[in-house]
Amino acid sequence: AQSVAQPEDQVNVAEGNPLTVKCTYSVSGNPYLFWYVQYPNRGLQFLLKYITGDNLVKGSYGFEAEFNKSQTSFHLKKPSALVSDSALYFCAGSYSGNTPLVFGKGTRLSVIA
Amino acid sequence: KAGVTQTPRYLIKTRGQQVTLSCSPISGHRSVSWYQQTPGQGLQFLFEYFSETQRNKGNFPGRFSGRQFSNSRSEMNVSTLELGDSALYLCASSLGLGPDYGYTFGSGTRLTVV
Repeated sequence: AQSVAQPEDQVNVAEGNPLTVKCTYSVSGNPYLFWYVQYPNRGLQFLLKYITGDNLVKGSYGFEAEFNKSQTSFHLKKPSALVSDSALYFCAGSYSGNTPLVFGKGTRLSVIA
Repeated sequence: KAGVTQTPRYLIKTRGQQVTLSCSPISGHRSVSWYQQTPGQGLQFLFEYFSETQRNKGNFPGRFSGRQFSNSRSEMNVSTLELGDSALYLCASSLGLGPDYGYTFGSGTRLTVV
């Protein structure tokens, strides 16, 4: 069965430092991978996606993610964290373009000033 | 343009009751998906509708049902509510079937069962 895992429930980083939020996937075939962010009492906002092409994907708000097929990972990164990046981050995957997304359980990112 | 609208935003129901949640997608979007979000389980897929037909269904009991109307608006119904149904219910709309077209999520309906 396809699945997405986020091994860290919480990530703390100092403002200005680089941040990484980890995601691994188990999806048959060619995976479609996504990152979403959720702020309190809000729905999910799309950050970026990987479908095919370059392994390094750039998204909204300065975020990027690297698709690594050999390690089955799709980690979210940002060179310099902002306090306003503090939120709940979800990795999600699908094994084709017309099947529902399977989400990881989320990682809470706290950026400390 | 208007986003995905979910009503109501908050609901409190008693065990055994039933509830109906509504989702109005972005104009022109024909696909609506529903997810249940809980702190312990994260986001769990409920169902997906496209052109008034249920195209995919998650692993939830038959107490959970949904439908989509000709204007693409969707409702989900939960009958015989249980305490464990307390959750944030999120709706996402898309131009086409599947996430490749890009999901836009609503702010959700927070259901509390007491």
